[in-house]
Amino acid sequence: EVQLVESGGGLVQPGGSLRLSCAASGFTFSSYWMHWVRQAPGMGLEWVSHIKSDGSSTSYADVVKGRFTISRDNAKNTLYLQMNSLRAEDTAVYYCARDSGGSYSYYWGQGTLVTVSS
Amino acid sequence: QSVLTQPPSVSGAPGQRVTISCTGSSSNIGAGFDVHWYQQLPGTAPKLLIYGNSNRPSGVPDRFSGSKSGTSASLAVTGLQAEDEADYYCQSYDSSLSGWVFGGGTKLTVL
Repeated sequence: EVQLVESGGGLVQPGGSLRLSCAASGFTFSSYWMHWVRQAPGMGLEWVSHIKSDGSSTSYADVVKGRFTISRDNAKNTLYLQMNSLRAEDTAVYYCARDSGGSYSYYWGQGTLVTVSS
Repeated sequence: QSVLTQPPSVSGAPGQRVTISCTGSSSNIGAGFDVHWYQQLPGTAPKLLIYGNSNRPSGVPDRFSGSKSGTSASLAVTGLQAEDEADYYCQSYDSSLSGWVFGGGTKLTVL
């Protein structure tokens, strides 16, 4: 059974940093592109970043470029999102999602809440 | 402002048919990239409803169907049921942004 479990969310002050993790199981993690998608309270879904299966290529939404870094450890079956210089508008539930090969996702984690507030 | 445009809300009575539109541009839907649809219930992760414009994953009722034409796509729900009340999002890939793009979401209310 495919499972994606996010962790690392919490309350952080503006300007602070946080690292999210997504533990994957039930599939060959190293074979799939992975994504982070976020959802601010009461708002819609927003793509944040993706990373190629071997980690050699990444892409970011303009609003996080230069502040967030996506990475993965295929030996540990874990996806990461390092978030620096956090702003109030980064407050959201962050989901990790496995690309199904057609630039969509059937498998999503349960999400982890990040709150940026003083 | 979302890259893909959806109506904020649609509604229909049980048993009726509703459609949700999704309008993009020449760098996403119009460029030939597929459109996918998700259903999201409150407090839960999105659930894939339609992939590749018109394909249903196993377990999704055939009351849900998708189509795409030009720079737009649509999701149709027939035989509305109370359990269909949820938020629906369209998603595609954008070549200018080099990533996924979503619609702003449509809240479906079953009257």
